[in-house]
Amino acid sequence: QVQLQESGPGLVKPSETLSLTCAVSGASVSSYAWGWIRQPPGKGLDWVGYKSYSGKTNYNPSLKSRLNISLDTPKNHFSLELSSVTAADTAVYYCGRDNWGSIDFWGQGVLVTVSS
Amino acid sequence: DVVMTQSPLSLPVTLGQPASISCRSSQSLAHGDGNTYLNWFQQRPGQSPRRLIYKVSNRDSGVPDRFSGSGSGTDFTLKISRMEAEDVGIYYCMQGTHWPYTFGQGTKLEIK
Repeated sequence: QVQLQESGPGLVKPSETLSLTCAVSGASVSSYAWGWIRQPPGKGLDWVGYKSYSGKTNYNPSLKSRLNISLDTPKNHFSLELSSVTAADTAVYYCGRDNWGSIDFWGQGVLVTVSS
Repeated sequence: DVVMTQSPLSLPVTLGQPASISCRSSQSLAHGDGNTYLNWFQQRPGQSPRRLIYKVSNRDSGVPDRFSGSGSGTDFTLKISRMEAEDVGIYYCMQGTHWPYTFGQGTKLEIK
C-alpha cells in the first residue's frame, strides 16, 4: 500500500519561505508524478503543482513565480518550497501521487499558518 | 482555468435513500488520448480526501458499489444508491484533463 507523510514547520512568517517534505513508502518517486494540493481553512481544494521523475513539471500559474517542487530519489521523498508567503498561503497542505490526471494516494495533510 | 461547478452545495439525505451530485465543467473534459479525466473524491470530517471514482466511472478498490459515476463532455454525476451514515462528508469533483487541474466547490452530504 502506498503511504505518504507530510512534515515541516506549522508556522511561517510573512515574506519567508514555506518548506515541506513528503515521505513516500510503498512506491518509488522514480515512477509516476508527485504533487501538492492545498486547502485553506474552511475552503475547497486547490492544486499547487506536481513533478515527475521524467522531468515533467506543472505549477499552478498563480504560484509559479514562487514555487519549486523537487524529488529526492535516494531518500524517496519530494519537497515543496513556496517563497514570499502571505496570509493567503495559510492552508492544510496535502501531498499526493498524481496518476494520470488524478490523485490516487494522499497524505494526511499538514496545517501551515503564515503569521508573524 | 477550467471552472468546475457542483450542485447542490448542501445535500441532506435520509438513510437508505439515494443521493445525486452534479458536476459541470466550463470546457469539455475529453482528452486527446480518448480518456476523460473526471474524478470524484470524498472528504470525511477531519480526514484527507479519498478518491472514489476516476475517469468518470471507474470505482477505486474498496469503494462500495453503491457509488457510481457517469457523464461525458461537460456534464457529470456521482450517485449513491442508498445513503449510509459513513457517507457523511464533502464530495469534490476534479478535472485532470487541463492544467491546472481544478476542483469543484464541494457538496456537503449529510443525514436528513
